[in-house]
Amino acid sequence: QSVLTQPPSVSGAPGQRVTISCTGSSSNIGAGYSVHWYQQLPGTAPKLLIYDYRNRPSGVPVRFSGSKSGTSASLAITGLQAEDEADYYCQSYDSRLSGSFGGGTKLTVL
Amino acid sequence: QVTLKESGPVLVKPTETLTLTCTVSGFALSNGRMGVSWIRQPPGKALEWLANIFSNDEKSYSTSLNSRLTISQDTSKSQVVLTMTNVDPVDTATYYCARNSVTYYYGMDVWGQGTTVTVSS
Repeated sequence: QSVLTQPPSVSGAPGQRVTISCTGSSSNIGAGYSVHWYQQLPGTAPKLLIYDYRNRPSGVPVRFSGSKSGTSASLAITGLQAEDEADYYCQSYDSRLSGSFGGGTKLTVL
Repeated sequence: QVTLKESGPVLVKPTETLTLTCTVSGFALSNGRMGVSWIRQPPGKALEWLANIFSNDEKSYSTSLNSRLTISQDTSKSQVVLTMTNVDPVDTATYYCARNSVTYYYGMDVWGQGTTVTVSS
C-alpha cells in the first residue's frame, strides 16, 4: 500500500481539463517536503513533469500544472491531447530523505 | 549530455543476491548538488522507490526493504551499485536508476532506460 494515494484512473475528452490528486500525510506533504510528478508513457521510463509542487522543467508544456493544499497535491492537465495518455505518479520524501511514490493514475483520453 | 545506464543479470535464482550497477555520464557523482536513486517497477504495477545516495555518501532506503538493500558508489568509475539480498519471485521487475538534482528539489530529472530482472528457479 502506497504512502501517497492517487486515484487509479481518470479520463477526459480531447481539449478538456483533468486533475489527478495525491494525498499524503503529516510526515511527507504535510511536513513541507516537495512533491514531484512523473509521466510514464507506455513502455518507456518515467519523465519528470512537475517538481516542487508547481514548477515545470524546461520543455514541459504549460498545459501541465501542479498545486498543493494541506497534505495533498494535484496535477492538472488542460487542453487534453491524445499524446497525454499515460500513467502519472506523484512522489515525495520524508524526513530521512526516504522516497515514496503514489500508486499511479492511468489517464485515458476518450 | 547526461545519461544513466543500468546493468546486471537478466535472471536470478530465489535466495540469491542481486547486484545492479548504474553507470552515469555527463555529471560527476562527487557533485554536491546531485544524487542517484534506484526505483523498480514490477510488470503492470506501480513504481517503487528503493534507495538513494548523495555525494557526501548519505544514503536512504525504503522502509519495507531496508534490511535487504545496500547502496554504494564509486565516484572514480562513475558508478552506483545496488545489492539486494535473498531475492524472491516478487522482486521480478524493471529496475531503474535516476539522477536526483538539488535544482529540482531532489526530483529525479534524468532516468536510465531500465533493466529487467526475473527471479526464477
